[in-house]
Amino acid sequence: AQTVTQSQPEMSVQEAETVTLSCTYDTSENNYYLFWYKQPPSRQMILVIRQEAYKQQNATENRFSVNFQKAAKSFSLKISDSQLGDTAMYFCAFMKISLINAGKSTFGDGTTLTVKP
Amino acid sequence: DTAVSQTPKYLVTQMGNDKSIKCEQNLGHDTMYWYKQDSKKFLKIMFSYNNKELIINETVPNRFSPKSPDKAHLNLHINSLELGDSAVYFCASSPRGRGKGSTEAFFGQGTRLTVV
Repeated sequence: AQTVTQSQPEMSVQEAETVTLSCTYDTSENNYYLFWYKQPPSRQMILVIRQEAYKQQNATENRFSVNFQKAAKSFSLKISDSQLGDTAMYFCAFMKISLINAGKSTFGDGTTLTVKP
Repeated sequence: DTAVSQTPKYLVTQMGNDKSIKCEQNLGHDTMYWYKQDSKKFLKIMFSYNNKELIINETVPNRFSPKSPDKAHLNLHINSLELGDSAVYFCASSPRGRGKGSTEAFFGQGTRLTVV
């Protein structure tokens, strides 16, 4: 079974600064996806970024980028130029890729990020 | 033109009642899910359906019964509601990846269920 660990329950950052959220996972699979989801106070779950394990290049989406270290099973999220709207709970998630994949994602326990003005 | 929509958004009911939450996606995805987010914000999968067929059924009481009339709909019916069922329930769907299985989940806005 896969496990996903987010060791930082809460973090804060000043507006316009950079913050990194950590995530580690444990799996014996070789092909999988990793995701970061954002859940603002509105409760909506929003995909922030996706990484495919077979890709060595780190995924980036505007101010969001990841540091994917496959050997270390680490998948951290870096948010640059933090904005007040980035305040949310962030979940790291793992999904195995398989032909009969029913898309089950395993989620970490979340990191609450507060961006301070 | 909401992609994944679930109704109702809020549901308050008494213990022992039976209730349903409806979910519809207009994205053409084959895979749909129900997730439960408890009071500590932990998110756990309950069920996964692929083309109306149940694929994943995690350890969920059999008071919870999903029903998928077609691949665009996955409803959740809960019998004999208990206090511990209070949570936010998320419906989601996933597109097919590069020839293999599904990829990221697109979530509905969640249904906050409160059992009193």
